[in-house]
Amino acid sequence: GAVVSQHPSWVICKSGTSVKIECRSLDFQATTMFWYRQFPKQSLMLMATSNEGSKATYEQGVEKDKFLINHASLTLSTLTVTSAHPEDSSFYICSARQDRESQPQHFGDGTRLSIL
Amino acid sequence: GQNIDQPTEMTATEGAIVQINCTYQTSGFNGLFWYQQHAGEAPTFLSYNVLDGLEEKGRFSSFLSRSKGYSYLLLKELQMKDSASYLCAAMDSNYQLIWGAGTKLIIKP
Repeated sequence: GAVVSQHPSWVICKSGTSVKIECRSLDFQATTMFWYRQFPKQSLMLMATSNEGSKATYEQGVEKDKFLINHASLTLSTLTVTSAHPEDSSFYICSARQDRESQPQHFGDGTRLSIL
Repeated sequence: GQNIDQPTEMTATEGAIVQINCTYQTSGFNGLFWYQQHAGEAPTFLSYNVLDGLEEKGRFSSFLSRSKGYSYLLLKELQMKDSASYLCAAMDSNYQLIWGAGTKLIIKP
């Protein structure tokens, strides 16, 4: 149980392109979803927290107009990297949590984004 | 400030036992998580402790001491597939996870 699907798993695109990443909880309802970014050999960096039906809460330093998050249903959240540039290249990982805060976050497989 | 400390890297031998320590300082505390992350992959949930003591789950056990702000992950009968990074994360009073940088565990035959 607690399976989270994330796709695409790998994206290579030109600078200036917008890229959408989907995160789905397959066998549970995710009240809260999280988006992380991870650079090589570094820890997870939380970008934003989203609750179904409400606006995402962004961490300090994360541009909300650059990283658009939509959590339209209890099983789907999307992250759109708008007008991506090479410095946006990273490993993006989503996670989903059921209704209680003490529940663990379950992670998708991640999306490796490379901007040329 | 809030902080998690864990060793950067550890090496152990196949079949042996290894203990990965984690100390935390958070504003309030609502539990501690351990995750395993293989290179190039997303983390997978291993354990959650909120009360003092040892929780055993097969070859893996996790211990928590709230008074000391300390936890450890114990891995027994090490296998080559256990080579991975192990992430410690403490949950603060706002139920936010504060992540450690991870401990890279190298298993040698």
